[in-house]
Amino acid sequence: EPEVTQTPSHQVTQMGQEVILRCVPISNHLYFYWYRQILGQKVEFLVSFYNNEISEKSEIFDDQFSVERPDGSNFTLKIRSTKLEDSAMYFCAITQGEGTEAFFGQGTRLTVV
Amino acid sequence: AQSVTQPDIHITVSEGASLELRCNYSYGATPYLFWYVQSPGQGLQLLLKYFSGDTLVQGIKGFEAEFKRSQSSFNLRKPSVHWSDAAEYFCAVGPMEYGNKLVFGAGTILRVKS
Repeated sequence: EPEVTQTPSHQVTQMGQEVILRCVPISNHLYFYWYRQILGQKVEFLVSFYNNEISEKSEIFDDQFSVERPDGSNFTLKIRSTKLEDSAMYFCAITQGEGTEAFFGQGTRLTVV
Repeated sequence: AQSVTQPDIHITVSEGASLELRCNYSYGATPYLFWYVQSPGQGLQLLLKYFSGDTLVQGIKGFEAEFKRSQSSFNLRKPSVHWSDAAEYFCAVGPMEYGNKLVFGAGTILRVKS
């Protein structure tokens, strides 16, 4: 099973600040994803990323969000101006190829105060 | 639109008893189906998956699930539950097309009584 490492494990930030969540897949991978889980709610898809561009995004993924792979290894999610409602667990996931399952990282718990 | 329903928010079973967690999905074609488990403060671990073929699939930790197309269901089962199985279980559906997103159910929290 491929490893997906996320950093930090927990981040507390003030409302209005920018945060960058990082994901480092330790395997060959093709598609990258970000999901989030607000406390007590279901896991929701945010965005998928393939070949250095966004392939699909949800309604949640508005202009305050962005993703990139700046160095070909790290996959990052940036939230430009955090709001209280952005507080959630954010999961990175990867899939390795057609007809394969998604493997998730351990998540980053973001708390906006 | 794709959707996944897990009708049981909480389930409590005694250690050693059998377990069945329900999952129903709505999707226009044959989907990919998954069960993930999340222990408190942890990430999502894949228990098992169904892509095609045999409708009864085996997973890790002694879990199995059966795909029933006629009922649009993919229920998770375990014959004998262990205390360490206490966690939250998520059913998810994905399309056949490569690289697309998963849609998750709301989850079922399993409590195990000793």
